[in-house]
Amino acid sequence: NAGVTQTPKFQVLKTGQSMTLQCAQDMNHEYMSWYRQDPGMGLRLIHYSVGAGITDQGEVPNGYNVSRSTTEDFPLRLLSAAPSQTSVYFCASSPRPADGYTFGSGTRLTVV
Amino acid sequence: GNSVTQMEGPVTLSEEAFLTINCTYTATGYPSLFWYVQYPGEGLQLLLKATKADDKGSNKGFEATYRKETTSFHLEKGSVQVSDSAVYFCALNYGGATNKLIFGTGTLLAVQP
Repeated sequence: NAGVTQTPKFQVLKTGQSMTLQCAQDMNHEYMSWYRQDPGMGLRLIHYSVGAGITDQGEVPNGYNVSRSTTEDFPLRLLSAAPSQTSVYFCASSPRPADGYTFGSGTRLTVV
Repeated sequence: GNSVTQMEGPVTLSEEAFLTINCTYTATGYPSLFWYVQYPGEGLQLLLKATKADDKGSNKGFEATYRKETTSFHLEKGSVQVSDSAVYFCALNYGGATNKLIFGTGTLLAVQP
């Protein structure tokens, strides 16, 4: 049982480039979320999904897009990377959020 | 709005010392409360949870009690080990249609031998 798998683990982008951070879970969880982690700021919610075909914005959605075509996958797209998007990104999933989320191991992104 | 406030770190303790990390929350209704732990270079792991007032969550010697009257969920451990060194996050889920998870800023715990 792989849990929540994020790829890549590390990425360096140039300003203006686009890329997709991949997230896949094999637990048939309906709820999935993307967070970014920055020093001193904890984790901030970027986008979330309550099921296939349903997504919505979190606290800091600007510059990011998501889609949820299947239950398993929830990719995060950076449209035009900026240095302010340098961060560690975590994907998480849950069958029932009151029971807690399972997190991936993260993607460390640097934008130069 | 809904929010979580936890004590600033870092917290530095000697091995076998008693640990308390304070966490208070602001929320409408009756949120579920969580403590997550992040070891260096890893993702977050659920440490313990409580879903209603007066519930006590416990795991690996850590415990926290859901106190609605003081809107608190303080994390405690009677005797810390070097292996407990990590960042600890308090979080709440306030349910509803979105079931968002709101985090505190995290507290770094460093345990010295």
